[in-house]
Amino acid sequence: SQQGEEDPQALSIQEGENATMNCSYKTSINNLQWYRQNSGRGLVHLILIRSNEREKHSGRLRVTLDTSKKSSSLLITASRAADTASYFCATNGMRQLTFGSGTQLTVLP
Amino acid sequence: DVKVTQSSRYLVKRTGEKVFLECVQDMDHENMFWYRQDPGLGLRLIYFSYDVKMKEKGDIPEGYSVSREKKERFSLILESASTNQTSMYLCASSPQGPIYGYTFGSGTRLTVV
Repeated sequence: SQQGEEDPQALSIQEGENATMNCSYKTSINNLQWYRQNSGRGLVHLILIRSNEREKHSGRLRVTLDTSKKSSSLLITASRAADTASYFCATNGMRQLTFGSGTQLTVLP
Repeated sequence: DVKVTQSSRYLVKRTGEKVFLECVQDMDHENMFWYRQDPGLGLRLIYFSYDVKMKEKGDIPEGYSVSREKKERFSLILESASTNQTSMYLCASSPQGPIYGYTFGSGTRLTVV
């Protein structure tokens, strides 16, 4: 059962612009995680935000979490062509992660 | 560099064959997972394991089984491959506890003909 749903499904921006992706989920969580997947490869863990945190930063990444709205956002600042990938949110409920269907980000040079 | 290794990147098998997908991690992680990924459906959990010789069904276990005889190795078995099992298969591992991210392998793209 899919817990998280990303929005938009696809996003195309110019290099240097910021990219924002959103994730909504349905049930209570321990934490929410964001992953990146380059075409045809495995997923890479980007950042984890706990349910009692509201915002977290890692380099050019900024994640927010609003548990009252059951939503999260991932902001990538000053995007680069190398950021082109699919981005997934994943929620940690009882025992394992449940992934959304992802946002395909394309950064045009 | 910590790693999850899946034995094959690409695999082509015939309908009805028994297929083994192998996954090995070198991080001494307790938890291991098998997902399949299909366009429009995202990642779906097939089976997972929290300890040696222990397994639990995920969301879509039908047609699959798993084996975990050693802590570092988690095998996914397609008992009788069918064309609807053509997919990308992703193995992942994590330490025990709810606060850790997963480390994924590079994936195995399986085609059943």
